[in-house]
Formats: sequence, structure tokens, C-alpha cells
Amino acid sequence: DGGITQSPKYLFRKEGQNVTLSCEQNLNHDAMYWYRQDPGQGLRLIYYSQIVNDFQKGDIAEGYSVSREKKESFPLTVTSAQKNPTAFYLCASSHTDREAGELFFGEGSRLTVL
Amino acid sequence: AQSVAQPEDQVNVAEGNPLTVKCTYSVSGNPYLFWYVQYPNRGLQFLLKYITGDNLVKGSYGFEAEFNKSQTSFHLKKPSALVSDSALYFCAVRAPFFRNQGGKLIFGQGTELSVKP
Repeated sequence: DGGITQSPKYLFRKEGQNVTLSCEQNLNHDAMYWYRQDPGQGLRLIYYSQIVNDFQKGDIAEGYSVSREKKESFPLTVTSAQKNPTAFYLCASSHTDREAGELFFGEGSRLTVL
Repeated sequence: AQSVAQPEDQVNVAEGNPLTVKCTYSVSGNPYLFWYVQYPNRGLQFLLKYITGDNLVKGSYGFEAEFNKSQTSFHLKKPSALVSDSALYFCAVRAPFFRNQGGKLIFGQGTELSVKP
């Protein structure tokens, strides 16, 4: 079955540590996205990528980094510079030639900083 | 710039009654509007979308949404609510791919729907 796989589902981190969240899709989508979800704040865009080897900052990119070396993969690194990293992180993907098409989401990764 | 507003943080409905979750939008150009549902600690599931054409859009699980251009609204509706409909609902508008906007979804704050037996 085609879909988006995020791992790990739960992750605990000590302050000062970098962590990387994995996102893999087998939907042959060109565009991939990372969103952060906090209670009562909806979803905010961190980074997005429309094509391999290219990515753009979203609304809250500070303290995060990404790479897009393969079409299928878009990992997100939460660095120690992110001041409040505890949140639920969602990865999504879509076609780029279907502007009215929906985004498909993974099941999310919950990061807790101890 | 595109934006979406969901004026209600929470909606409470009795099972069997109709439900409405409100959404208003602001876009330049043609709006591509979406509704998603999220269950606790899960990803977002697509419910329905409006692209063009018929103002009443039908989607998954018996949900439908009414697009109203003059009121810039896209309210989610269901004729008869189920307890299992209790979840967090998000309205979203899609930014175009051109001008480096990346086709991202811009979300409302979300509305918690609670359906009581």
C-alpha cells in the first residue's frame, strides 16, 4: 500500500541534543512538507520541498533543518537551537502537477524534551 | 495572502442531530479548500475538497461542505452526527505552487467536535 511513514512515533530528547525525524513516502510525490502541531495553534509549516535537492523555509524554520537527497525521503532535524521543540510533528506529500490535489499525511512523531 | 479562520474552538452536538463546523477563508484568485479530520495522536485524514463547480461537495464518512463565495465560507456539515465523529477538524486553503509558495496548505486553528450519546 502506498503511503507516508514517519518514525519514530514517540521520541524523548534531552536539552541540547539534536534529533532527526524520518519521513518516507512511496506515493511518487514530488512535494513534501513538515508541519508542527501545538495545542490550540493549528498546524504551522516548518519546511517544504518541491523537488529533490531543493527546499524552502516555511513559517517557523528557525532551529530546524532538512535535506532532500532522494525523492522518497525528507528527514527533519530538530536542533538544539530550537527553543521549544516539544510538539507533534507531521510530514505530508503531494503531487506538484495537481494544484487542487490534497496533501497526504503521515501518522506523526511526538517529540518530548526532558 | 491566503488565510483561513475557524471561529469555534469547540462544537458540541447530540448524537443524531445535524452538525456544522464553520470555516471562512481569504484568498486571492480561485480558492482550493479542504477539510481534514484528526483523531488523537494520529495524522490528518482527508475528508473533502472544493475546486470548482457544484457548491455542495460530498466527502468521506457522510460529511459534506457548502462553498459560499459571497460569504467566503466553506462550512462542514453532516445531517446526523455519530459519537465516532468526535475529533479535531481542520479547514485549509492551498497556496499555489508558483511564486515559490510551494503548494502548501494553510490551516485554520482547528475545531474540536464532541458528539454525545
